[in-house]
Amino acid sequence: DAGVIQSPRHEVTEMGQEVTLRCKPISGHNSLFWYRQTMMRGLELLIYFNNNVPIDDSGMPEDRFSAKMPNASFSTLKIQPSEPRDSAVYFCASSEQGEAFFGQGTRLTVV
Amino acid sequence: GDSVTQMEGPVTLSEEAFLTINCTYTATGYPSLFWYVQYPGEGLQLLLKATKADDKGSNKGFEATYRKETTSFHLEKGSVQVSDSAVYFCALSPSTSGTYKYIFGTGTRLKVLA
Repeated sequence: DAGVIQSPRHEVTEMGQEVTLRCKPISGHNSLFWYRQTMMRGLELLIYFNNNVPIDDSGMPEDRFSAKMPNASFSTLKIQPSEPRDSAVYFCASSEQGEAFFGQGTRLTVV
Repeated sequence: GDSVTQMEGPVTLSEEAFLTINCTYTATGYPSLFWYVQYPGEGLQLLLKATKADDKGSNKGFEATYRKETTSFHLEKGSVQVSDSAVYFCALSPSTSGTYKYIFGTGTRLKVLA
């Protein structure tokens, strides 16, 4: 398996634009997580899904953030409208009742 | 709620020095415990894990023992190398049935000097 695949690796966008981050989990994994990493706040869990169902979205910072998992092999994290304070590295991870496997991350810069 | 506390960094060591990075946790029941490593520009990679009390996880010369009596999972390595320079995260996964979220510490940056 190629591991957890995230796209794009880097995204630069202007404030107010919509941003969509994509994730393909490892085949067979039934849990998927979105994390945000910044210098100030470290690694924050935004939302996680189990069997494609959102279980806990208490970490989603605002209504501007939304996440979907339409099927077992794909998830998106959308920010609309984006703001400079959303600049961070966003990681997707998947697991099957064991350790979490992380993607390479998407570095988002909102200018 | 469940939480993980790890020592503040950065930790700077000379090559071949002994490494300890402290990690303590708060959780109900018997969580699984993990150490992840993040190299510059990359995602987190699992370094080692332990799933029950007194288990010792080990990998690449790193070790950590699950100590329920002290709620700790300290990371150790006998002789660090420059290539070990990275950020290390302690994490737990609660034992509550149906709950699979992972809770991470704030990370400890390790810098090893030649």
